[in-house]
Amino acid sequence: EAGVAQSPRYKIIEKRQSVAFWCNPISGHATLYWYQQILGQGPKLLIQFQNNGVVDDSQLPKDRFSAERLKGVDSTLKIQPAKLEDSAVYLCASSLNALSGIASPYEQYFGPGTRLTVT
Amino acid sequence: DAKTTQPPSMDCAEGRAANLPCNHSTISGNEYVYWYRQIHSQGPQYIIHGLKNNETNEMASLIITEDRKSSTLILPHATLRDTAVYYCIVRGDNNAGNMLTFGGGTRLMVKP
Repeated sequence: EAGVAQSPRYKIIEKRQSVAFWCNPISGHATLYWYQQILGQGPKLLIQFQNNGVVDDSQLPKDRFSAERLKGVDSTLKIQPAKLEDSAVYLCASSLNALSGIASPYEQYFGPGTRLTVT
Repeated sequence: DAKTTQPPSMDCAEGRAANLPCNHSTISGNEYVYWYRQIHSQGPQYIIHGLKNNETNEMASLIITEDRKSSTLILPHATLRDTAVYYCIVRGDNNAGNMLTFGGGTRLMVKP
């Protein structure tokens, strides 16, 4: 089975520029997550989608970050304008329907990430 | 979800068992213990999870103490490819969004 796809793998931009990252989850996975991982730290959840709806975006800096999953499949994360502190790896993950009401936990499958450098 | 404490780094000789500890003293009855690992330049990878009983799969074994306040991930025969950061995460089954809160993890270095 194909894994979670992300592009681009690497991006270098200057501060105040805009950037967008793309994610295609595993086929059939209703839940999609975006994480930010700063060097030396564990990943931090930015936003979670269930199909095309937002479940949690409490840690998304909404003044500059936005994300969408219009058709409930692939997703785009955008930063506008970028700051130096946005330099990080942006990870996308997907899982089966995490809101099915079934108590069993669902493992998350992660993509390779996009490494963003803001200069 | 309860917090976890892990040693920042550990070494292990190739071919030997790697035992990675995790402290989760505030865990509650409905919270699972998950382990993920992250190899350099890759996304995290699920390893194993458990609630009360010890668990084993093709990758590792998970030993949870009777009081559930700590656990140990065991890689029975570590190889150089097991060098990675290992994350222990506690997540409740009322965490409807299946969200994972990662800490700093343990950086495991497997040496020849």
